[in-house]
Amino acid sequence: NAGVMQNPRHLVRRRGQEARLRCSPMKGHSHVYWYRQLPEEGLKFMVYLQKENIIDESGMPKERFSAEFPKEGPSILRIQQVVRGDSAAYFCASSPPITGSSYEQYFGPGTRLTVT
Amino acid sequence: AQTVTQSQPEMSVQEAETVTLSCTYDTSESNYYLFWYKQPPSRQMILVIRQEAYKQQNATENRFSVNFQKAAKSFSLKISDSQLGDTAMYFCAFMRDSWGKLQFGAGTQVVVTP
Repeated sequence: NAGVMQNPRHLVRRRGQEARLRCSPMKGHSHVYWYRQLPEEGLKFMVYLQKENIIDESGMPKERFSAEFPKEGPSILRIQQVVRGDSAAYFCASSPPITGSSYEQYFGPGTRLTVT
Repeated sequence: AQTVTQSQPEMSVQEAETVTLSCTYDTSESNYYLFWYKQPPSRQMILVIRQEAYKQQNATENRFSVNFQKAAKSFSLKISDSQLGDTAMYFCAFMRDSWGKLQFGAGTQVVVTP
């Protein structure tokens, strides 16, 4: 069973460009979470999605950031008009349908975004 | 709101020795879940161990064990027989229900020396 896949692993964008980060959850997982890790800091929650639904976006910046998890295909985190402060590692995690004993989040390798 | 505090920025331990990492959290919830994740230099987040708050028994995974003190809101991680491959950043994390966001502490860098 392949793990959580993220691509690209590294992404360089100039200020003002758009960044699209992709996440394919583990097979059978229907819940996707995005986290951001700034240099020398812990991970901060951004958004939690199920197929075609945003469940919790309390950690998303109000502007320029959006996320989706369509019925088919990977989850996408989109950052419009990137600024230097968006430079960070973005991690995606997935979890299976919630049961009493199955709730761990499994993380992808992350996408390192550098804004020049 | 919940907060997770890791008060040790860095810990050094010799191979084969034991090291204990501290984590405290603040919550008014009665049902929650606690985790320790490891982030080696590759930056991959790896789940080390988990603990359900309703379970009194401390979780154990091979050389890793926790000391869960619910009343004190403390969740420490003990690494026994430390190995060079244990060198990594260790994050304590809290989850309010069996779904939803993880809240992470700031992390503790563990360095295992020969």
